[in-house]
Amino acid sequence: GDSVTQMEGPVTLSEEAFLTINCTYTATGYPSLFWYVQYPGEGLQLLLKATKADDKGSNKGFEATYRKETTSFHLEKGSVQVSDSAVYFCALRNTGGFKTIFGAGTRLFVKA
Amino acid sequence: EPEVTQTPSHQVTQMGQEVILRCVPISNHLYFYWYRQILGQKVEFLVSFYNNEISEKSEIFDDQFSVERPDGSNFTLKIRSTKLEDSAMYFCASRGVEGHVEFFGPGTRLTVL
Repeated sequence: GDSVTQMEGPVTLSEEAFLTINCTYTATGYPSLFWYVQYPGEGLQLLLKATKADDKGSNKGFEATYRKETTSFHLEKGSVQVSDSAVYFCALRNTGGFKTIFGAGTRLFVKA
Repeated sequence: EPEVTQTPSHQVTQMGQEVILRCVPISNHLYFYWYRQILGQKVEFLVSFYNNEISEKSEIFDDQFSVERPDGSNFTLKIRSTKLEDSAMYFCASRGVEGHVEFFGPGTRLTVL
C-alpha cells in the first residue's frame, strides 16, 4: 500500500542553519504531496503542498520539490529560526483517495 | 479565514465509558475525516465520510467507533466503550470538493483512565 518514510529525528540545529528533512514515498498513481507542521501543543497546519511532478511548494521560507524520478519530497529551509521548532510531517494523498497518509514525523529543535 | 473547530479540547473518561468527540468542519466542505495521534507517534487515519456515509475506514475503526453528521454543521466521532489504548489526540479534518488539502482542527486530547 501507499506509504511515506521520513528521516528520524530529532534534528537539532543552530539558528540560521540550513535545514533538510528527507521524505520519500511509495504510491501507485500520482499522489499529491504535503508537508504539515505541528507546533508544541497545537494541531496540524499545512505548511506546503505539490500536486504534480516537478511542482515546488513553498511557504514561510520552506520549500519542497515533487521529484517523481526519486519519489521524494524533501523539505528545505535556508535559514531556520527558533520559532521553527516543531514536528514536521510529510504526507501524501493518492488520486481519488479519501485519506491522507502521514510519515512518522521529524522533530526539529532550533537553538538560539 | 474559515477553520475546523473541535470540542472539547480535552476529555477525560473512565475505561468502558462512551465518549463523543465533536467537530464543526468548514462550512462548504463535503469530505470529513477523523485521525488520531497517540502521544509521540504518527498521525493515523481512522475514517472518511462523504455524502452521508463512510467512504473509507482503517482497521483501527472497529465496531466500537461510529461517526455521524447529525445536522448540517456537526460531525461526531463516538467511541462506545473506551479502552486505555484509545488515549490519543483525535483530529477532525475537512476538504472541499475541488481541493487537494485537508484542513485540520486543533484536536481533542482523550485520556482514558
